Amino acid sequence: QKEVEQDPGPLSVPEGAIVSLNCTYSNSAFQYFMWYRQYSRKGPELLMYTYSSGNKEDGRFTAQVDKSSKYISLFIRDSQPSDSATYLCALFKTGGFKTIFGAGTRLFVKA
Amino acid sequence: DGGITQSPKYLFRKEGQNVTLSCEQNLNHDAMYWYRQDPGQGLRLIYYSQIVNDFQKGDIAEGYSVSREKKESFPLTVTSAQKNPTAFYLCASSPGLDGNEQFFGPGTRLTVL
Repeated sequence: QKEVEQDPGPLSVPEGAIVSLNCTYSNSAFQYFMWYRQYSRKGPELLMYTYSSGNKEDGRFTAQVDKSSKYISLFIRDSQPSDSATYLCALFKTGGFKTIFGAGTRLFVKA
Repeated sequence: DGGITQSPKYLFRKEGQNVTLSCEQNLNHDAMYWYRQDPGQGLRLIYYSQIVNDFQKGDIAEGYSVSREKKESFPLTVTSAQKNPTAFYLCASSPGLDGNEQFFGPGTRLTVL
């Protein structure tokens, strides 16, 4: 079983839609949860960073962590064509040093 | 303007040749990492370094080598022993040794002809 599972998509939505991106993981020891955005042929950039369970909001982006279900989500409100990218979830456990990355979900927002 | 630079952006190599990918950071970060990205797969860790003159193998170190002679620099050599080197290579750094907030460079696309 992979440590983290992420639907590769592609996910295609109209401009203005609410987007939900998700990852599931198997190891309950993960404590830090990140979302990265990666444009084509570029390096990933850190979007959201959360510790433990709960919600974190930053502008149009909301990251949600449910540790009991081992499920993390990224919501994008009022999606824009500029949000078209691949979104990678990433998990980290204290003392483990290595960050585990999902394979990424490719998102297309149509104007 | 702080950040991570990687060069070159595109690299072509003939089979049997070694090639070195450059990674430089001016963020004053202690830890640096090399990842490989293939279509449909997550980032896979090749090597990482927590401090100058020290580095550790990641999950797929075979066929690769690194050095960390300066805090700012972490070059990766792809040797002829690497069986399938065509990939997108990403360098990253993090401020602390726990690695949970990593900042990435723009990447190098290596193609073996």
